[in-house]
Amino acid sequence: AQKVTQAQTEISVVEKEDVTLDCVYETRDTTYYLFWYKQPPSGELVFLIRRNSFDEQNEISGRYSWNFQKSTSSFNFTITASQVVDSAVYFCALSGTQGGSEKLVFGKGTKLTVNP
Amino acid sequence: GAGVSQSPSNKVTEKGKDVELRCDPISGHTALYWYRQSLGQGLEFLIYFQGNSAPDKSGLPSDRFSAERTGGSVSTLTIQRTQQEDSAVYLCASSVLAGGPYEQYFGPGTRLTVT
Repeated sequence: AQKVTQAQTEISVVEKEDVTLDCVYETRDTTYYLFWYKQPPSGELVFLIRRNSFDEQNEISGRYSWNFQKSTSSFNFTITASQVVDSAVYFCALSGTQGGSEKLVFGKGTKLTVNP
Repeated sequence: GAGVSQSPSNKVTEKGKDVELRCDPISGHTALYWYRQSLGQGLEFLIYFQGNSAPDKSGLPSDRFSAERTGGSVSTLTIQRTQQEDSAVYLCASSVLAGGPYEQYFGPGTRLTVT
Protein backbone atom coordinates (compact mmCIF):
# COMPACT_ATOMS: atom_id res chain seq x y z
CA ALA A 1 0.00 0.00 0.00
CA GLN A 2 1.12 3.52 -0.66
CA LYS A 3 1.30 6.06 2.13
CA VAL A 4 2.46 9.65 2.52
CA THR A 5 3.23 11.16 5.90
CA GLN A 6 3.52 14.86 6.57
CA ALA A 7 4.36 14.94 10.24
CA GLN A 8 4.11 18.71 10.59
CA THR A 9 0.47 19.65 10.93
CA GLU A 10 1.05 23.39 11.27
CA ILE A 11 4.07 25.65 10.98
CA SER A 12 4.21 29.34 11.75
CA VAL A 13 7.13 31.53 10.70
CA VAL A 14 7.92 35.18 10.37
CA GLU A 15 8.38 36.67 6.94
CA LYS A 16 11.85 36.17 5.41
CA GLU A 17 12.53 33.04 7.43
CA ASP A 18 13.38 29.84 5.58
CA VAL A 19 11.03 26.93 6.20
CA THR A 20 11.19 23.23 5.30
CA LEU A 21 8.12 21.06 4.92
CA ASP A 22 8.78 17.37 5.46
CA CYS A 23 7.33 14.51 3.43
CA VAL A 24 8.01 10.81 3.94
CA TYR A 25 6.48 8.20 1.66
CA GLU A 26 6.01 4.43 1.50
CA THR A 27 5.57 2.42 -1.66
CA ARG A 28 6.44 -0.99 -3.07
CA ASP A 29 6.58 0.31 -6.62
CA THR A 30 10.01 0.57 -8.17
CA THR A 31 8.81 3.39 -10.38
CA TYR A 32 6.76 6.10 -8.78
CA TYR A 33 6.18 9.81 -8.87
CA LEU A 34 6.10 12.43 -6.15
CA PHE A 35 4.24 15.71 -6.20
CA TRP A 36 3.76 18.85 -4.15
CA TYR A 37 0.58 20.90 -4.30
CA LYS A 38 -0.30 24.21 -2.67
CA GLN A 39 -3.82 25.00 -1.44
CA PRO A 40 -4.14 28.71 -0.65
CA PRO A 41 -7.06 30.05 1.38
CA SER A 42 -9.04 30.39 -1.86
CA GLY A 43 -9.17 26.60 -1.89
CA GLU A 44 -7.95 25.56 -5.33
CA LEU A 45 -5.08 23.07 -5.40
CA VAL A 46 -2.11 24.37 -7.35
CA PHE A 47 0.49 22.03 -8.84
CA LEU A 48 4.06 22.86 -7.81
CA ILE A 49 6.33 20.00 -8.85
CA ARG A 50 6.45 16.40 -10.12
CA ARG A 51 9.50 14.15 -9.74
CA ASN A 52 10.00 10.55 -10.79
CA SER A 53 11.77 7.95 -8.70
CA PHE A 54 14.76 7.76 -11.02
CA ASP A 55 15.62 11.42 -10.73
CA GLU A 56 17.13 12.29 -7.37
CA GLN A 57 18.53 15.61 -8.43
CA ASN A 58 17.46 18.43 -6.21
CA GLU A 59 15.43 21.10 -7.91
CA ILE A 60 15.24 24.82 -7.38
CA SER A 61 12.59 27.15 -8.72
CA GLY A 62 12.94 30.68 -7.49
CA ARG A 63 12.49 30.64 -3.72
CA TYR A 64 11.31 27.01 -3.79
CA SER A 65 13.57 23.99 -3.63
CA TRP A 66 12.99 20.28 -3.27
CA ASN A 67 15.23 17.61 -1.80
CA PHE A 68 14.47 14.04 -2.89
CA GLN A 69 16.29 11.25 -1.05
CA LYS A 70 15.33 7.67 -1.90
CA SER A 71 17.52 6.33 0.91
CA THR A 72 15.23 7.93 3.48
CA SER A 73 12.05 7.90 1.34
CA SER A 74 11.74 11.63 1.74
CA PHE A 75 10.81 14.48 -0.57
CA ASN A 76 11.16 17.68 1.42
CA PHE A 77 10.18 21.15 0.28
CA THR A 78 11.99 24.31 1.34
CA ILE A 79 10.79 27.86 0.92
CA THR A 80 13.57 30.41 1.19
CA ALA A 81 12.86 33.93 2.45
CA SER A 82 9.20 33.15 3.04
CA GLN A 83 6.53 35.69 2.21
CA VAL A 84 2.99 36.24 3.48
CA VAL A 85 1.66 35.01 0.13
CA ASP A 86 3.23 31.61 0.85
CA SER A 87 0.63 31.05 3.56
CA ALA A 88 -1.31 27.96 2.49
CA VAL A 89 -1.74 24.28 3.10
CA TYR A 90 0.89 22.26 1.29
CA PHE A 91 0.27 18.67 0.26
CA CYS A 92 2.79 16.05 -0.70
CA ALA A 93 1.44 13.25 -2.91
CA LEU A 94 2.57 9.96 -4.38
CA SER A 95 1.50 8.09 -7.49
CA GLY A 96 2.59 4.65 -8.51
CA THR A 97 2.67 2.97 -11.88
CA GLN A 98 1.39 -0.46 -10.94
CA GLY A 99 -2.15 -1.67 -11.38
CA GLY A 100 -3.17 0.79 -14.08
CA SER A 101 -4.17 3.55 -11.72
CA GLU A 102 -2.57 6.94 -11.61
CA LYS A 103 -4.38 8.15 -8.54
CA LEU A 104 -2.62 10.48 -6.15
CA VAL A 105 -2.22 9.42 -2.55
CA PHE A 106 -1.97 12.58 -0.47
CA GLY A 107 -0.47 13.32 2.89
CA LYS A 108 -2.63 15.13 5.44
CA GLY A 109 -1.03 18.44 4.55
CA THR A 110 1.01 21.04 6.40
CA LYS A 111 -0.58 24.39 7.10
CA LEU A 112 2.03 27.12 6.74
CA THR A 113 1.36 30.55 8.17
CA VAL A 114 3.81 33.31 7.33
CA ASN A 115 3.39 36.30 9.58
CA PRO A 116 4.48 39.80 8.58
CA GLY B 1 -6.57 28.44 -21.66
CA ALA B 2 -9.49 27.49 -19.45
CA GLY B 3 -8.83 25.35 -16.42
CA VAL B 4 -10.93 22.60 -14.90
CA SER B 5 -14.39 23.83 -14.06
CA GLN B 6 -16.91 22.32 -11.68
CA SER B 7 -20.54 22.99 -10.99
CA PRO B 8 -22.26 23.80 -8.81
CA SER B 9 -19.71 25.51 -6.58
CA ASN B 10 -21.94 24.90 -3.57
CA LYS B 11 -24.75 22.45 -3.03
CA VAL B 12 -26.93 22.08 0.03
CA THR B 13 -29.22 19.07 0.02
CA GLU B 14 -31.42 17.21 2.42
CA LYS B 15 -30.45 13.80 3.67
CA GLY B 16 -31.81 11.12 1.37
CA LYS B 17 -31.86 13.22 -1.79
CA ASP B 18 -29.75 12.48 -4.86
CA VAL B 19 -27.16 14.96 -6.14
CA GLU B 20 -25.17 15.32 -9.35
CA LEU B 21 -21.83 17.06 -9.51
CA ARG B 22 -20.34 18.08 -12.82
CA CYS B 23 -16.75 18.41 -13.99
CA ASP B 24 -15.45 19.94 -17.22
CA PRO B 25 -11.80 18.99 -17.66
CA ILE B 26 -9.18 20.95 -19.52
CA SER B 27 -9.76 20.53 -23.24
CA GLY B 28 -7.71 17.67 -24.63
CA HIS B 29 -7.00 16.07 -21.26
CA THR B 30 -7.79 12.38 -21.51
CA ALA B 31 -7.42 11.45 -17.85
CA LEU B 32 -9.94 12.64 -15.27
CA TYR B 33 -10.05 12.07 -11.53
CA TRP B 34 -12.48 12.67 -8.70
CA TYR B 35 -11.29 13.26 -5.15
CA ARG B 36 -13.03 14.20 -1.93
CA GLN B 37 -11.66 16.52 0.72
CA SER B 38 -13.03 16.50 4.24
CA LEU B 39 -11.65 17.63 7.57
CA GLY B 40 -11.51 14.17 9.04
CA GLN B 41 -10.24 12.21 6.05
CA GLY B 42 -8.08 14.67 4.14
CA LEU B 43 -7.87 14.26 0.37
CA GLU B 44 -9.22 10.91 -0.81
CA PHE B 45 -9.23 9.44 -4.28
CA LEU B 46 -12.63 8.34 -5.57
CA ILE B 47 -12.41 7.31 -9.24
CA TYR B 48 -10.15 7.62 -12.27
CA PHE B 49 -11.24 7.83 -15.92
CA GLN B 50 -9.09 7.11 -18.92
CA GLY B 51 -11.19 8.37 -21.79
CA ASN B 52 -14.71 7.19 -21.03
CA SER B 53 -13.72 4.08 -19.10
CA ALA B 54 -12.96 3.88 -15.40
CA PRO B 55 -10.11 1.46 -14.75
CA ASP B 56 -9.98 2.39 -11.08
CA LYS B 57 -13.14 2.87 -9.02
CA SER B 58 -11.54 1.65 -5.84
CA GLY B 59 -12.09 4.87 -3.91
CA LEU B 60 -15.86 5.05 -4.24
CA PRO B 61 -17.02 4.67 -0.63
CA SER B 62 -20.29 2.85 -1.31
CA ASP B 63 -22.65 1.79 -4.05
CA ARG B 64 -24.52 5.06 -3.55
CA PHE B 65 -21.67 6.72 -5.44
CA SER B 66 -21.33 6.44 -9.20
CA ALA B 67 -19.68 8.41 -11.96
CA GLU B 68 -19.65 8.53 -15.69
CA ARG B 69 -17.78 10.34 -18.40
CA THR B 70 -19.08 10.97 -21.86
CA GLY B 71 -17.34 11.99 -25.07
CA GLY B 72 -14.01 11.79 -23.30
CA SER B 73 -14.83 15.12 -21.71
CA VAL B 74 -17.49 16.01 -19.14
CA SER B 75 -17.90 13.82 -16.09
CA THR B 76 -20.74 13.55 -13.62
CA LEU B 77 -20.44 12.22 -10.09
CA THR B 78 -23.78 11.07 -8.67
CA ILE B 79 -24.48 10.45 -5.03
CA GLN B 80 -27.77 8.71 -4.30
CA ARG B 81 -29.64 8.88 -1.00
CA THR B 82 -27.14 11.34 0.45
CA GLN B 83 -26.01 10.98 4.04
CA GLN B 84 -24.51 13.55 6.36
CA GLU B 85 -21.12 11.87 6.13
CA ASP B 86 -21.11 12.68 2.41
CA SER B 87 -20.63 16.35 3.28
CA ALA B 88 -17.26 17.36 1.84
CA VAL B 89 -15.61 19.25 -0.98
CA TYR B 90 -15.59 17.17 -4.15
CA LEU B 91 -12.64 17.93 -6.38
CA CYS B 92 -12.15 17.04 -9.99
CA ALA B 93 -8.76 16.95 -11.71
CA SER B 94 -7.53 16.23 -15.20
CA SER B 95 -4.19 15.43 -16.74
CA VAL B 96 -2.91 15.57 -20.25
CA LEU B 97 -3.03 11.85 -20.92
CA ALA B 98 -2.85 8.50 -19.25
CA GLY B 99 0.35 6.50 -19.11
CA GLY B 100 2.11 8.99 -16.86
CA PRO B 101 1.28 9.77 -14.19
CA TYR B 102 1.40 13.39 -15.18
CA GLU B 103 0.60 16.39 -13.09
CA GLN B 104 -3.08 16.71 -12.33
CA TYR B 105 -4.79 20.08 -12.57
CA PHE B 106 -7.58 20.60 -10.11
CA GLY B 107 -10.85 22.44 -10.34
CA PRO B 108 -12.22 24.71 -7.62
CA GLY B 109 -14.41 21.96 -6.17
CA THR B 110 -18.04 21.56 -5.23
CA ARG B 111 -18.81 22.03 -1.56
CA LEU B 112 -21.58 19.58 -0.67
CA THR B 113 -23.51 20.01 2.55
CA VAL B 114 -26.04 17.39 3.54
CA THR B 115 -28.49 18.58 6.18
